[in-house]
Amino acid sequence: GAGVSQSPSNKVTEKGKDVELRCDPISGHTALYWYRQSLGQGLEFLIYFQGNSAPDKSGLPSDRFSAERTGGSVSTLTIQRTQQEDSAVYLCASSSAPSGQETQYFGPGTRLLVL
Amino acid sequence: KNEVEQSPQNLTAQEGEFITINCSYSVGISALHWLQQHPGGGIVSLFMLSSGKKKHGRLIATINIQEKHSSLHITASHPRDSAVYICAVKGTSGSRLTFGEGTQLTVNP
Repeated sequence: GAGVSQSPSNKVTEKGKDVELRCDPISGHTALYWYRQSLGQGLEFLIYFQGNSAPDKSGLPSDRFSAERTGGSVSTLTIQRTQQEDSAVYLCASSSAPSGQETQYFGPGTRLLVL
Repeated sequence: KNEVEQSPQNLTAQEGEFITINCSYSVGISALHWLQQHPGGGIVSLFMLSSGKKKHGRLIATINIQEKHSSLHITASHPRDSAVYICAVKGTSGSRLTFGEGTQLTVNP
């Protein structure tokens, strides 16, 4: 079956512009995660959605970052007024269980470059 | 000090060698994950552990909760095992994973 998909695969933008990154999780997966991997850095948790519960936003680095998940499926990560330090690979993952103790399936990521 | 520490950072082996990658963590956890990141960037989940040992093919993962330590072993290593191996832990509350910096493994033919 289809895995987690993300779009676009690559995004180049100018400093100060807004960007939207999209994630399509595996059908039926109730848990959805966003992570960031900066160049030469480890993975960093951003936000977690589980069903209709309030999302865990504790990893968002600033109020320029926001995410939503419509209808319990597709999610969009929005970065407003992008800065050069936002350049990174943004990864989405989904899981069939809510606890974070089940296998997470990762998408291919979106490579964001802010000039 | 990071909550999750991996060693070594880099590892080069010859094909066929037995490989061990270590992960130590400083917080209470409910689960530990081992991930593999291919050179192209794709991430695959290898194991999720909360106790004991798991085996899948040539890969073995162990965890010692009391010592806050996990190991990933690769038997009969092969060049296609070359990748970054990442340890991640889930705390006892909340949903976030905290990641180690990763171990870059290169297996030469």
